[in-house]
Amino acid sequence: DAGVIQSPRHEVTEMGQEVTLRCKPISGHDYLFWYRQTMMRGLELLIYFNNNVPIDDSGMPEDRFSAKMPNASFSTLKIQPSEPRDSAVYFCASSLRQGSDTQYFGPGTRLTVL
Amino acid sequence: KQEVTQIPAALSVPEGENLVLNCSFTDSAIYNLQWFRQDPGKGLTSLLLIQSSQREQTSGRLNASLDKSSGRSTLYIAASQPGDSATYLCAVGAQLVFGKGTKLTVNP
Repeated sequence: DAGVIQSPRHEVTEMGQEVTLRCKPISGHDYLFWYRQTMMRGLELLIYFNNNVPIDDSGMPEDRFSAKMPNASFSTLKIQPSEPRDSAVYFCASSLRQGSDTQYFGPGTRLTVL
Repeated sequence: KQEVTQIPAALSVPEGENLVLNCSFTDSAIYNLQWFRQDPGKGLTSLLLIQSSQREQTSGRLNASLDKSSGRSTLYIAASQPGDSATYLCAVGAQLVFGKGTKLTVNP
């Protein structure tokens, strides 16, 4: 398996623009997680899905953030409108089961909002 | 709310030295604890996962211990190598709560 795939790897956009980050989890994994990493706050869980259903989105910072998982092999994290404080590295991870299984992380998307 | 602390924030050692990285957490009712490695510009790689019922896990030169009662975990690295240089993160619970990591540099 190719592992968790994220695109794009780098995104530079201007404040106010819509940004869409994409993730393809490992085939057969039931859980998908979106994280954000910044120097100040470290790694934070934004939202996670089980069998394509959002389970906990309490980490999503604002209504400007939304995430979807239309099928088992694809998820998106959208920011609209984007702001400079959204600049961070966004990671997607997947696991077979929650808790008892290792989470496998993608390489991340480095987002810069000017 | 679970809080995870890793001390020190950075550590530099000569090659061949044995070392210990520390992780502490505030809520001892954890499901599990994981140690990850992150290389610059890369994602996280899982090193060891300890279930709440376990006391330790070993993989090669790595050994992780868990003491839930004291809210502590340690990652022991034996005979360190320059290739071990990375940031090591501890994460607690089914919904991972991360520490900010320890940046390890192993000097040749």
